[in-house]
Amino acid sequence: DIQMTQSPSSLSASIGDRVTITCRASQDISNYLAWFQQKPGKAPKSLIYAASSLLSGVPSKFSGSGSGTHFTLTISSLQPEDFATYYCQHYGSYPWTFGQGTKVEVK
Amino acid sequence: EVQLVESGGGLVKPGGSLRLSCAASRFTFNSYRMNWVRQAPGKGLEWVSSISKTSTYISYADSVKGRFTISRDNTNNFLYLQMNSLRAEDTAVYYCARDGTYYDVLTGYHYFFDYWGQGTLVTVSS
Repeated sequence: DIQMTQSPSSLSASIGDRVTITCRASQDISNYLAWFQQKPGKAPKSLIYAASSLLSGVPSKFSGSGSGTHFTLTISSLQPEDFATYYCQHYGSYPWTFGQGTKVEVK
Repeated sequence: EVQLVESGGGLVKPGGSLRLSCAASRFTFNSYRMNWVRQAPGKGLEWVSSISKTSTYISYADSVKGRFTISRDNTNNFLYLQMNSLRAEDTAVYYCARDGTYYDVLTGYHYFFDYWGQGTLVTVSS
């Protein structure tokens, strides 16, 4: 199975900060990578697919990049509604697996 | 907007069974692959199972293979998950998720989760 490892596991940031989360795959997954946002007690929300394509309605402050084994999610200017846990996930081959999550907290 | 509403969760004893349902609306259900994803309390997300548009192709995580069965009713727009031989480690919120589709000229077809239901809690405990 492909292992997905996110770093950091948590981070503290202030409103307006630029935040970057890293996701590494244990083997080459090309660009078969998605990112999700989850707030406490809520269902995940899909943000990005194909490593860098934003789903419809997702603000442009979110961006994704990478290919192969190294990927990043960047939030250009953190807003109060962005404090949440973020997950990466590969979907190139079964079983699909998720990273362990990165919790973005208020500094 | 796309709507996915899960139901059927609850408290069940180890070894018991439960059938989850996901009612889909506001999109053409039989045009999309569908999935189940779960999240144990305080833990991360785990993909459980996927089913193709016509039920031809089905996949399961090893952790549920042989115990869980995914199915769909394209007439009435429902996705199901029959869960048998339940264990304590199956305790989780279960989400149904729709697959979006994207064609990349370099890498081919992408099937990714685009919409999620609100989830239904399954608790396996004696």
